[in-house]
This record gives sequence, C-alpha cells and structure tokens, in this order.
Amino acid sequence: GAGVSQSPSNKVTEKGKDVELRCDPISGHTALYWYRQSLGQGLEFLIYFQGNSAPDKSGLPSDRFSAERTGGSVSTLTIQRTQQEDSAVYLCASSGGSGSSEQYFGPGTRLTVT
Amino acid sequence: GQSLEQPSEVTAVEGAIVQINCTYQTSGFYGLSWYQQHDGGAPTFLSYNGLDGLEETGRFSSFLSRSDSYGYLLLQELQMKDSASYFCAPWLNYGQNFVFGPGTRLSVLP
Repeated sequence: GAGVSQSPSNKVTEKGKDVELRCDPISGHTALYWYRQSLGQGLEFLIYFQGNSAPDKSGLPSDRFSAERTGGSVSTLTIQRTQQEDSAVYLCASSGGSGSSEQYFGPGTRLTVT
Repeated sequence: GQSLEQPSEVTAVEGAIVQINCTYQTSGFYGLSWYQQHDGGAPTFLSYNGLDGLEETGRFSSFLSRSDSYGYLLLQELQMKDSASYFCAPWLNYGQNFVFGPGTRLSVLP
C-alpha cells in the first residue's frame, strides 16, 4: 500500500518568506509526527497529533512554526518569516495510534533558506 | 528531562558482528525501538523491545535491560548495505514515542 508522502521534496526560499510543507500519512493511521533533521544530526521532535486530541506542540522551536491536521489525515507544517537556521530536512511520520511503537516515515522535505 | 547516549561512530568489516549501545534516562519508559537511516533516506523501523531480553529479527537482534536503563542493537554478518545511522528511540509514555537518540553512524568496510 501507499506509504507516507510529503511535498514538496525540495524547497528553496528567501529569508523572511513563509513556507508550507505537506504530509499525507498512511490511510487509517491516527498518529502523525513532524520532525526536523539538520545535516548529520539526529531527529528533533516538533509536533505530534493523535486522533482528535489537542496536538502536542512542545517541540516547536518558536511561534513562527505552526501545524494543523485536517480531517484527521493530511497535515501542513507552516514556517513564517523563515530564517537561515530553519534550513533542514523536515520529516513526517505516522503510526497506527498511541498504542503503536512503529513509526513510518515519509521521504522528507529539504528546506533551504537563502 | 530525557537523556540518551549512543556512540557517535562505529566501524566494522563485512561479515563481522557489531553492537550499538544505547543508555537512557527518561521520565517514563515503556520500551525501546531502533531505527535505521541511510544517507539521504528516511528512518525505517527495525525493532522494538517491550520486555527485557533479546529480540531477534534475521541478522538483527535487539536487547533491553530495564534495570540498567540500557539496550543494544546487534548486527550480525555485516554487509556493505548496513552502512547507515542507527537511532534508539525510547517509548516514554503511552502514545509518546517521539524521542530519538543522537544516532550512531556505522561504516562497514570491505
């Protein structure tokens, strides 16, 4: 079946512009995660959605970052007034729910802020 | 807070056995997962230990000791394609499995 998809695969933007990154999770998966990964580094948790519960936003680095998940499926991560330090790969993952330990990752969006 | 430690790099030759350790200090703990990530790729799930002991999946095995707050990933019969980064990821509380270790970069030499 289809895995997690993300778009765009690459995004180059100028400093100060807003960007939107999209994630389509695996159908039926209730949990959705956003991570950020800088080159050669580990995964930095950003935000977690579980079903209809309020999202866990504890990892968002600043108020320039926000995310929403519509209809319990597609999610959009928005970064406002991008800065050069926002350059990274943004990964989305989904899992079968709060009782599932296995996360399925999308291919990521590589964001470059010039 | 959470604290996770892994060796930053490990090097081994084809056909060898390598062990990647993970020690953790977390506010809650249900179990430990392992993920593999090739350069330029996305992380993929390898294994999960919910109980103490060894879990075997083909050439890969994973071990957990809750009393020692310690786990490891064991890779046997190493192949070149095993060159990748490996992350341990503790499941902190029910539904909160989004903390990843710093990762171990494994290089397999011919």
